[in-house]
Amino acid sequence: DTAVSQTPKYLVTQMGNDKSIKCEQNLGHDTMYWYKQDSKKFLKIMFSYNNKELIINETVPNRFSPKSPDKAHLNLHINSLELGDSAVYFCATSKGGSYEQYFGPGTRLTVT
Amino acid sequence: AQKITQTQPGMFVQEKEAVTLDCTYDTSDQSYGLFWYKQPSSGEMIFLIYQGSYDEQNATEGRYSLNFQKARKSANLVISASQLGDSAMYFCAMILTGTASKLTFGTGTRLQVTL
Repeated sequence: DTAVSQTPKYLVTQMGNDKSIKCEQNLGHDTMYWYKQDSKKFLKIMFSYNNKELIINETVPNRFSPKSPDKAHLNLHINSLELGDSAVYFCATSKGGSYEQYFGPGTRLTVT
Repeated sequence: AQKITQTQPGMFVQEKEAVTLDCTYDTSDQSYGLFWYKQPSSGEMIFLIYQGSYDEQNATEGRYSLNFQKARKSANLVISASQLGDSAMYFCAMILTGTASKLTFGTGTRLQVTL
């Protein structure tokens, strides 16, 4: 069983569209994250949820909206996609009391 | 704010040799943790090793060891007996353990293991 899964793995879409990326974890962890890796491989935190509550919201355009329907899922919805949104988006999870973060396989988003 | 610096954009090492990947960090917090992650060409992020700021011993995990020098604010990764499968991007990252737990990453080092 995959511990942290993301769907889709690849997403190609046109500017202006709205899209969602889904993340699911079966580790029972209570904290989930979204990171963005740009074309230069730089990784940066976007959001973090703990027990469905938003605890980290970095300087991210409000076109990005995370949603956590339950502790096992953290989805990322992006409105009005722009060329600069092209990146790899990683979901990660961690367990309370532990600092290690487990990453999903990533979703490569390409906006044309 | 915390910052991670990896000054080696690329490194080469021969198979079976040891290699050190450099990482320095900057924070005014006393309570923090340092990580190394490996990202092969397939793209996934693989956790390698963790060192807490209060840990007295350097962390080791198999062929990976973290050379933690607190006074110099460095947390270098040492890979012993390099293998071809070690060719990948390596990221150093920091977490402040007393606050909301986001990872701050360095820019990465691309390691190439040669025959």
